[in-house]
Amino acid sequence: GQQLNQSPQSMFIQEGEDVSMNCTSSSIFNTWLWYKQDPGEGPVLLIALYKAGELTSNGRLTAQFGITRKDSFLNISASIPSDVGIYFCAGLTTDSWGKFQFGAGTQVVVTP
Amino acid sequence: DAGVIQSPRHEVTEMGQEVTLRCKPISGHNSLFWYRQTMMRGLELLIYFNNNVPIDDSGMPEDRFSAKMPNASFSTLKIQPSEPRDSAVYFCASSRDYNEQFFGPGTRLTVL
Repeated sequence: GQQLNQSPQSMFIQEGEDVSMNCTSSSIFNTWLWYKQDPGEGPVLLIALYKAGELTSNGRLTAQFGITRKDSFLNISASIPSDVGIYFCAGLTTDSWGKFQFGAGTQVVVTP
Repeated sequence: DAGVIQSPRHEVTEMGQEVTLRCKPISGHNSLFWYRQTMMRGLELLIYFNNNVPIDDSGMPEDRFSAKMPNASFSTLKIQPSEPRDSAVYFCASSRDYNEQFFGPGTRLTVL
């Protein structure tokens, strides 16, 4: 099950608004991944982060690796209807040997 | 390049039957992961392999579950006998050296 605290659980926003979500933990991570999952599909990798403080963009998506190495943030700017889906964070600690921890997901609903 | 390939995409079976799920990882990836996703428990790691060797199977729920990776391009997850509580979406993911994981489209299993 999930060991990362991901919030919010769901967001209902209007088209054009910005979206922010985050994942936190008491553990220290060396890798953060952000995924998006559409209904009936597998999670699709959006952004990967490898250094504390790193800020990486992918189109309208921007993710940051927290400087404490215990959290990460994902922002979506100027949301559009196709941004609808569930967004997951995944974190890897130094001693986890490839075993990522996953957040419970943030359900994003965009209304026109 | 082809992504992670899973088959079948959907499986409906009766309780007590054997179920075999198949996965072909991305060529060149040396780590393979099997996950189960349900509404109640989210994404759960069942087992993962590195260089075809099982590294951690602590997430396999019971002896009814088994997984094999006979070569670098193929893995199976078998449930025998299946039970209704095994109904879920099963994902396979692959990565190179425990980095970014790429998920397949999943197999939706329904056990009646």
